[in-house]
Amino acid sequence: DVKVTQSSRYLVKRTGEKVFLECVQDMDHENMFWYRQDPGLGLRLIYFSYDVKMKEKGDIPEGYSVSREKKERFSLILESASTNQTSMYLCASSFVNTIYFGEGSWLTVV
Amino acid sequence: KQEVTQIPAALSVPEGENLVLNCSFTDSAIYNLQWFRQDPGKGLTSLLLIQSSQREQTSGRLNASLDKSSGRSTLYIAASQPGDSATYLCAVIGNNDMRFGAGTRLTVKP
Repeated sequence: DVKVTQSSRYLVKRTGEKVFLECVQDMDHENMFWYRQDPGLGLRLIYFSYDVKMKEKGDIPEGYSVSREKKERFSLILESASTNQTSMYLCASSFVNTIYFGEGSWLTVV
Repeated sequence: KQEVTQIPAALSVPEGENLVLNCSFTDSAIYNLQWFRQDPGKGLTSLLLIQSSQREQTSGRLNASLDKSSGRSTLYIAASQPGDSATYLCAVIGNNDMRFGAGTRLTVKP
């Protein structure tokens, strides 16, 4: 079974802090994604990556950056967290046009 | 830009009923369409994947159909159970693009 692991399930951070959300997949997938999910807005794509050291902006990249130094790991970085970044963050990896999700990371910025 | 709409946003039915969830999309040039289930506070679990060349897929009590020309997919759930209560999302997968609907929140009452 494909496993996509998000190391932090619940985080509370202060405004202005730098936040790292880590995601690891164990199936050697090339494609990895970060989404955020908010009530009434569905899933919105933040960034995606098709290969190591490669990244592409999604629909809402502002305030975020990403890092893909190894194939299995895709990190989402909030350089200076703000309260409007309070959300559920979902990592995914894909293969042959089917996508697998992690359990999600709930981030609260206070 | 692909837009995906799911109707209804919420649905409540008594146990045992058959029901249909709808997903519509604006661009028919898709590779696959995937249906997911999401339990509260959790990630997304894949239910069914329909490739663009297929008309339907079945898994147990679930049947998903795809009509590319009209931009529609349906998820049929037979003999609903309280354990089916969750949010159901469809994802439309195109060329380097994956778009989600906002989901239908299903409640099955005992």
